[in-house]
Amino acid sequence: QVQLKETGPGLVQPTQTLSITCTVSGFSLTSYYMQWVRQTPGKGLEWMGFIRSGGSTEYNSEFKSRLSISRDTSKNQVFLKMNSLKTEDTGVYYCARETTEGSSYYFDYWGQGVMVTVSS
Amino acid sequence: DIQMTQSPASLSASLGETVSIECLASEDIYNNLAWYQQKPGKSPQLLIYYASSLQDGVPSRFSGSGSGTQYSLKINSLESEDAATYFCLQDSEYPPTFGGGTKLELK
Repeated sequence: QVQLKETGPGLVQPTQTLSITCTVSGFSLTSYYMQWVRQTPGKGLEWMGFIRSGGSTEYNSEFKSRLSISRDTSKNQVFLKMNSLKTEDTGVYYCARETTEGSSYYFDYWGQGVMVTVSS
Repeated sequence: DIQMTQSPASLSASLGETVSIECLASEDIYNNLAWYQQKPGKSPQLLIYYASSLQDGVPSRFSGSGSGTQYSLKINSLESEDAATYFCLQDSEYPPTFGGGTKLELK
């Protein structure tokens, strides 16, 4: 059974760093791309970046300078770190698994999300 | 980036009715279009992938169609549990981009 679960702080102060862990089960991180998506009141759903099954990463240029995605395959965990947080970064952060079938690509499983509030 | 224009932004319909939601891509996305249902406080649930393939476990009253730049989600015989926000996602080209969402209200 595929499961993804994000854990992280509910409140982060402006200018500080956000760290979120996505713990997965039911599949191997070495077989799938793992995506990070956030949902904010201002911009709705935004793709943030991903880590490939091989471990390399790609980021949305909007976050590139302050976003880092990594993983620990032995612990089945994927990590998101974003620095220099602003109040506009308040929202729900999701990890999602991307599946590829032939020519099709889609995010098939999502975590429950973690609500992050950026406030002093 | 590929822009996804979703319409309508909101929709009100009665139980048993059929509704359609559209997503228009700014360029050809070669059927790499997925539809999701999201209820308040919950994560998105995949309904349709590759434009028209029904995800396992999703009721057959949901269907997807389209090609090129135009795609639609149809929900037949609306049930109360279908009240939710629906959105599309294109994964043809990076960055993946989302439609703005359609909030479906049941009368």
